[in-house]
Amino acid sequence: SQTIHQWPATLVQPVGSPLSLECTVEGTSNPNLYWYRQAAGRGLQLLFYSVGIGQISSEVPQNLSASRPQDRQFILSSKKLLLSDSGFYLCAWSGTAGEKLFFGSGTQLSVL
Amino acid sequence: DQQVKQNSPSLSVQEGRISILNCDYTNSMFDYFLWYKKYPAEGPTFLISISSIKDKNEDGRFTVFLNKSAKHLSLHIVPSQPGDSAVYFCAASGTYGQNFVFGPGTRLSVLP
Repeated sequence: SQTIHQWPATLVQPVGSPLSLECTVEGTSNPNLYWYRQAAGRGLQLLFYSVGIGQISSEVPQNLSASRPQDRQFILSSKKLLLSDSGFYLCAWSGTAGEKLFFGSGTQLSVL
Repeated sequence: DQQVKQNSPSLSVQEGRISILNCDYTNSMFDYFLWYKKYPAEGPTFLISISSIKDKNEDGRFTVFLNKSAKHLSLHIVPSQPGDSAVYFCAASGTYGQNFVFGPGTRLSVLP
């Protein structure tokens, strides 16, 4: 069966520090991969999605970037965090048919 | 412009009664519609979905209805249980699911 791993679960970072969140998927090949963010009291905002290695689409201009160095690995990064980057970050995957999206357990990021 | 709308931020229902969560969309090109349930500090979990070629899909206590002409779908939970208390997200995707668009969510509280 397929599983998705996302870490860390919680992270507290000072403003201006770098960020790296990692996500890996097991049990499937060539998945579509996604990064979503849920700000406090808000819905799910799509940040990036990827349909293959090195292929990244950005949905929202921001202080973040994403990379997909391997088929089942998706990384969310920032060179310098802003206060507004605080939120709950979710990695997700879907098959290429796109009928269903599966989420990781999330990372609660607090930028202070 | 929100493509997927959930106009009720919250809903309270007595245990054993029916919960009806509503969702409206604007993009007629969406092919799949999904409902997710989310507890605090956890990733959303998939509940039920429906293809645009159907008007109803049922899974246990959960039924989703789709009215394409009205661009409206609803999730019915019968009977409602206290464990159903969570935030429910409506989502829609196009062909190949490269872009899942989520509504802002509805917080359901099932009162014992």
